[in-house]
Amino acid sequence: GDSVTQTEGQVALSEEDFLTIHCNYSASGYPTLFWYVQYPGEGPQLLFRASRDKEKGSSRGFEATYDKGTTSFHLRKASVQESDSAVYYCALSGPLPNTNKVVFGTGTRLQVLP
Amino acid sequence: GPKVLQIPSHQIIDMGQMVTLNCDPVSNHLYFYWYKQILGQQMEFLVNFYNGKVMEKSKLFKDQFSVERPDGSYFTLKIQPTALEDSAVYFCASRTVSNERLFFGHGTKLSVL
Repeated sequence: GDSVTQTEGQVALSEEDFLTIHCNYSASGYPTLFWYVQYPGEGPQLLFRASRDKEKGSSRGFEATYDKGTTSFHLRKASVQESDSAVYYCALSGPLPNTNKVVFGTGTRLQVLP
Repeated sequence: GPKVLQIPSHQIIDMGQMVTLNCDPVSNHLYFYWYKQILGQQMEFLVNFYNGKVMEKSKLFKDQFSVERPDGSYFTLKIQPTALEDSAVYFCASRTVSNERLFFGHGTKLSVL
């Protein structure tokens, strides 16, 4: 079945450091890819998504590019802030109308130290 | 922005009892989901519901689980009977027909003793 792999379980950075969180997926066709962020005590909320090869999604300084060749959707940010501390989930679903299930990766806990 | 409300935020029950988790989805959303998250672990898909029917469910959606949305009210997850391994945070999510974006509630923490 469809799956998402995030290799980093935890990342600790200092403010203004560069962030990369790796995401690779396994799915047939062209799934829609997402990055969700989860703050303590809340449900995940969408950062951004992409649905075509080479499409770049971005929000709040975070960005990722859909790469069908390497089946990847790595999250990057040039300069992290303490307020970015959260858990980040890469996810995928079938494109509309086949979007019955959104599959999440294992999540990456980002801690940004002041 | 649009909000999904989950009631209660925390529920403590004894093993073997029945529990109903309630979700008030975004008003114009027609697709509803339940996810399970054990502390510190990933979000795991349980079930997806549309037009009064379960569209897809995972292996985690045991026979003791059921979902419904009677007359457009709360979207509910019922577990009967509960087991110790059902202890987790359960997240409800909803979306429109034309957008894959899921809106999540804050979760209901279920503690089965």
